[in-house]
Amino acid sequence: NAGVTQTPKFRILKIGQSMTLQCTQDMNHNYMYWYRQDPGMGLKLIYYSVGAGITDKGEVPNGYNVSRSTTEDFPLRLELAAPSQTSVYFCASSYRQGSDGYTFGSGTRLTVV
Amino acid sequence: KNEVEQSPQNLTAQEGEFITINCSYSVGISALHWLQQHPGGGIVSLFMLSSGKKKHGRLIATINIQEKHSSLHITASHPRDSAVYICAVGGGQNFVFGPGTRLSVLP
Repeated sequence: NAGVTQTPKFRILKIGQSMTLQCTQDMNHNYMYWYRQDPGMGLKLIYYSVGAGITDKGEVPNGYNVSRSTTEDFPLRLELAAPSQTSVYFCASSYRQGSDGYTFGSGTRLTVV
Repeated sequence: KNEVEQSPQNLTAQEGEFITINCSYSVGISALHWLQQHPGGGIVSLFMLSSGKKKHGRLIATINIQEKHSSLHITASHPRDSAVYICAVGGGQNFVFGPGTRLSVLP
C-alpha cells in the first residue's frame, strides 16, 4: 500500500518557468489537499478537493492551479514560477472531512531562482 | 496574536524523560490534530481530538475546549521521538497549523 506518492522530491526552477507537482493516492480517499510549508511557519492550504471534478481554493491559492480528474490524482500546477513560491509542498489525503487521519506525501522541495 | 501557538518552540530532553508539548488556539474549532514531522520531512498524523483524551502507545493527547488548549505528552521518551510536533485546529478543510515544536531526545 503506497499511500500518498508525490513527485518529484526536489526541483529547481528558474523564474517564469512552469511545472506540475504530481500527487497520487491509492487509498480511495475522497479528500485531497495541497499545502506549502515555509521555514518557521505552519502549513498553509493552497487548494483542496472533496472528490473527482471538484476543487476549491485554500488560504494561499495565488500562482497555483489544480485539477482532479480522477479520485487518485491531484496535480498542482505552477504556471509562472516566482521566488516567493520557494517552499516545501505537501500533498495529503483523507477519507472523510476532518477525519481521524490525514496521510501525507513525502513532500517536494522547490527552489525558484 | 497568531491563531495557533505552540510551546515550547524547541525542547531538548534526556532519554526516558516525560515530555509535554502545548498548543493554544484562539478560534472556535470542531477538531484538533497532532502531527509528527520526521527529520527527513515526512509528516504523520498522530491524533485527531474533539474532546477529552486519547492514548496511543507512549503518546497521550488531551484537549480542553473551554480553555482552548491541548497538550501532547510523551512518556519514557526515546531518541526516535526526535521530530517536529505540529498542532492543527479547525474544522472541515479550514485547518490552521501551528509552527511546530522541535523535540530532540538525547541518548
